[in-house]
Amino acid sequence: GDSVTQMEGPVTLSEEACLTINCTYTATGYPSLFWYVQYPGEGLQLLLKATKADDKGSNKGFEATYRKETTSFHLEKGSVQVSDSAVYFCALSGEKLTFGTGTRLTIIP
Amino acid sequence: NAGVTQTPKFQVLKTGQSMTLQCAQDMNHNSMYWYRQDPGMGLRLIYYSASEGTTDKGEVPNGYNVSRLNKREFSLRLESAAPSQTSVYFCASSGIPSGGPNTQYFGPGTRLTVL
Repeated sequence: GDSVTQMEGPVTLSEEACLTINCTYTATGYPSLFWYVQYPGEGLQLLLKATKADDKGSNKGFEATYRKETTSFHLEKGSVQVSDSAVYFCALSGEKLTFGTGTRLTIIP
Repeated sequence: NAGVTQTPKFQVLKTGQSMTLQCAQDMNHNSMYWYRQDPGMGLRLIYYSASEGTTDKGEVPNGYNVSRLNKREFSLRLESAAPSQTSVYFCASSGIPSGGPNTQYFGPGTRLTVL
């Protein structure tokens, strides 16, 4: 069945550092890929998505590229801010939406 | 446009008690979902409804029932709560034109504790 494996956390970075959160997937067919973000005490919000191979999703300075050859969708940001502290979930949509276990990111001023 | 709303935000139950979690969306979405979130396990699908009048089991349906009351509302019922059902519960919806059938929008969650 479909599955998503993402980088285990927690991840702690200093403000303005570069961020990469790894995500790989296993799926049949050609799923859409997503990154969701969950801020403390809130529900999940869609951060970005890509619907086909080589698509790049971007939002709020975050980017992720749908790599079919490596079955990956790594989340990147060039310079993180304290306000980026949250839990990040990678997900794929096959028959249903399948989530990774989440990566907690903390940014220190 | 409130998106997806859930009530209550917090609830404490005793083992064996029953309760219903309410969810409503105002985006005219066909599909609605109930998830639970537990530490280290991501989100797991409990039940979903692809359209008004239909419901289907997800990954962890045992101990739960759902009702798709109309296109806007999708409720989750615990008939006899157990401590293993202590979790954070999220409702979500998806549909055209808000990002298409695969893009889900989430409510703020209900934090449930069963003693």
